[in-house]
Amino acid sequence: DAKTTQPPSMDCAEGRAANLPCNHSTISGNEYVYWYRQIHSQGPQYIIHGLKNNETNEMASLIITEDRKSSTLILPHATLRDTAVYYCIVTSYDKVIFGPGTSLSVIP
Amino acid sequence: KAGVTQTPRYLIKTRGQQVTLSCSPISGHRSVSWYQQTPGQGLQFLFEYFSETQRNKGNFPGRFSGRQFSNSRSEMNVSTLELGDSALYLCASSNRINSYEQYFGPGTRLTVT
Repeated sequence: DAKTTQPPSMDCAEGRAANLPCNHSTISGNEYVYWYRQIHSQGPQYIIHGLKNNETNEMASLIITEDRKSSTLILPHATLRDTAVYYCIVTSYDKVIFGPGTSLSVIP
Repeated sequence: KAGVTQTPRYLIKTRGQQVTLSCSPISGHRSVSWYQQTPGQGLQFLFEYFSETQRNKGNFPGRFSGRQFSNSRSEMNVSTLELGDSALYLCASSNRINSYEQYFGPGTRLTVT
């Protein structure tokens, strides 16, 4: 079973921030949080990852709670091209388990 | 840099046959992982190779195997195909071991009839 729980779907207005939550209450100390997205019919695309500090790159920001039991991926200004399934995974590199993810629809 | 390439992109096989899929990672990447994606089971990890050695393996039967060559290119083989093996098979490469900052190819769509 996946170690993460995500809402199955979300909508976001174009130009607004998209905040995608992920619960990983059983995360252990050496496990990282990774985010990927998959646009229909394409291979998944790496977005960002972190251990316990907040991270930001050109695509998104990752906010991890202090107890590390949940995190939020933030797309600061969502565009129609951000419509995709977003996967949150946790792994200590022995194996990786993808859950069903969150289907994000960006609405004009 | 060129991205991850997978060949063939589409394949139709018959039950009982075997199939070999190929993956060329991004230049300089030495880690290659394989995944199976189906509508029912989602994205599932098959195995990971680094420097020609299998490092991690998912929960798949022994009919699924793989290998990596000295140039980091990788192949996966499925023997005695079953209808349930119909799936999108994705390959991903990384420039570091123990990193899931991976770059995926477009996948091979396998249909078993």
